[in-house]
Amino acid sequence: KAGVTQTPRYLIKTRGQQVTLSCSPISGHRSVSWYQQTPGQGLQFLFEYFSETQRNKGNFPGRFSGRQFSNSRSEMNVSTLELGDSALYLCASSLSDRGEADTQYFGPGTRLTVL
Amino acid sequence: EDQVTQSPEALRLQEGESSSLNCSYTVSGLRGLFWYRQDPGKGPEFLFTLYSAGEEKEKERLKATLTKKESFLHITAPKPEDSATYLCAVQAWNAGNMLTFGGGTRLMVKP
Repeated sequence: KAGVTQTPRYLIKTRGQQVTLSCSPISGHRSVSWYQQTPGQGLQFLFEYFSETQRNKGNFPGRFSGRQFSNSRSEMNVSTLELGDSALYLCASSLSDRGEADTQYFGPGTRLTVL
Repeated sequence: EDQVTQSPEALRLQEGESSSLNCSYTVSGLRGLFWYRQDPGKGPEFLFTLYSAGEEKEKERLKATLTKKESFLHITAPKPEDSATYLCAVQAWNAGNMLTFGGGTRLMVKP
């Protein structure tokens, strides 16, 4: 099975611009979560989508948004970019939300640099 | 609020020198505790899931254990290729699939 894929792998933007990142989950996985990773804050949860609905949201400003399509692919958008948004953005997918904790499998990430 | 603390932040070992990494957690109803390995510039790679206190899992030179307050990742006779950052994360019953991560332990194994 193919793993989680993320595009693009690298992005350079300037302050004030907006950016859209894409994630394709493992085939059959219905839950997609997004995380931001920075050297100072570590890995922080952004939001989770399940069956096209946002199920949970982390403590990030409204400039960060996302969506999920009927094929479980997901996109996240960051508007009005700030220097502090420079980070590795990771997508993770899992099979189901029932019963025992499902393993989340991570993609390689998108490295965003804001100048 | 769920919290995860990992120690030490960094660990240097000689090849073959066994050690343990610690993950202390507080969570409102543990659904699962996860261990991941992350190499520089890459996404975390899944290692183990532990569900309840007393559970143990092994994979090659790694063994993960779980109590009601902490988890340990034991590394037996490490090799240089075990050098990576090891991440611990918890998932609560009331939080969907959200993972709360610790800061990680950066392991360096010298030949």
